Amino acid sequence: GQQVMQIPQYQHVQEGEDFTTYCNSSTTLSNIQWYKQRPGGHPVFLIQLVKSGEVKKQKRLTFQFGEAKKNSSLHITATQTTDVGTYFCAGPGRDDKIIFGKGTRLHILP
Amino acid sequence: DVKVTQSSRYLVKRTGEKVFLECVQDMDHENMFWYRQDPGLGLRLIYFSYDVKMKEKGDIPEGYSVSREKKERFSLILESASTNQTSMYLCANRLWGPNYGYTFGSGTRLTVV
Repeated sequence: GQQVMQIPQYQHVQEGEDFTTYCNSSTTLSNIQWYKQRPGGHPVFLIQLVKSGEVKKQKRLTFQFGEAKKNSSLHITATQTTDVGTYFCAGPGRDDKIIFGKGTRLHILP
Repeated sequence: DVKVTQSSRYLVKRTGEKVFLECVQDMDHENMFWYRQDPGLGLRLIYFSYDVKMKEKGDIPEGYSVSREKKERFSLILESASTNQTSMYLCANRLWGPNYGYTFGSGTRLTVV
């Protein structure tokens, strides 16, 4: 069946370093969404990408959708302690459901 | 902003009990979903509903049922709780169509002893 895979599963970075998480789908996606879940919290919708090759920015976060619409990435520049959490990508599946990747857990070392 | 409210943040139940997890949304959204979240397994869809009285099985419906008598309320029912249902349960809703993100409730951490 359709799968959405994320790498890496965990990432430790020094505060101030950059961070990137990658998302790959087994099928072409009409769109891809990104969510952030703080420790002890619930996932919060960040952004949606729709167009092939699309790049969107939210302050220090840069989101990209691949040309083939089968992969995506989230890049954080100069990480801060507030960036700690798990980042999920998600793509549409059958019956209008959304399929989530398993997430990348980001740890920031002070 | 859309608000999704789950009635309990933490819950402890005994094996064999019938458990009700309640979720209420304050918008007139058709779509509502129940997920469970476990370490290493990510978010897994249990049940979803696109309208009142309507329900569809997700990927892991065994041991669960749902009720949607009113548009704003979507309840998850554990018919006979078991220890392997200890988990974080998340309710979510979103606007119809694939181009809208989910709004999640704050979750219910259920422990079955």
